[in-house]
Amino acid sequence: EDKVVQSPLSLVVHEGDTVTLNCSYEVTNFRSLLWYKQEKKAPTFLFMLTSSGIEKKSGRLSSILDKKELFSILNITATQTGDSAVYLCAVEGNYGGSQGNLIFGKGTKLSVKP
Amino acid sequence: NAGVMQNPRHLVRRRGQEARLRCSPMKGHSHVYWYRQLPEEGLKFMVYLQKENIIDESGMPKERFSAEFPKEGPSILRIQQVVRGDSAAYFCASSPENSYNSPLHFGNGTRLTVT
Repeated sequence: EDKVVQSPLSLVVHEGDTVTLNCSYEVTNFRSLLWYKQEKKAPTFLFMLTSSGIEKKSGRLSSILDKKELFSILNITATQTGDSAVYLCAVEGNYGGSQGNLIFGKGTKLSVKP
Repeated sequence: NAGVMQNPRHLVRRRGQEARLRCSPMKGHSHVYWYRQLPEEGLKFMVYLQKENIIDESGMPKERFSAEFPKEGPSILRIQQVVRGDSAAYFCASSPENSYNSPLHFGNGTRLTVT
């Protein structure tokens, strides 16, 4: 069965700390892995990863994928209170012509204290 | 350039009533996806539609749930005879026609509460 497991489930840090969020997966015919940030409303897209070893970076956030070991990490450096959110990891497999059927993890709830 | 629009934002229904959730995709997008997020759970895929076609409904409950995406107008997720267990946030996402390796962008969701 396809699944995504995120760890830790929750994390409390202080402003300025660096955090690493983990995502491991099992999926049929891997197509891509995505990271989203969810505050009170819509999940907002952060990164899409399809190839191993290539770091994607956006400001203080970065992510990398290891397709051999079936995991990804999301790093946030110099955290700010505005980074407080639930971070969701999702994978998409190749389901015979369908698309958009993402398997989501339960998320990591990050709280950044001032 | 408006994003995915969902309405209503909040919907309260009594057990046994019908719930209709609407989703207007981003401009130029012809594919729509519905997801459900139960409390303390991750998002779960429900259905993938193109205009006038259901492509993948593997995540839809077998009874009481239906979805459509007509030629004109928004996509509708319909839940008949709602029960308390249907209380959840329902998110819609859209993508353009050639969207392999394009991320899904989600709307703000409809929070359904069944009393």
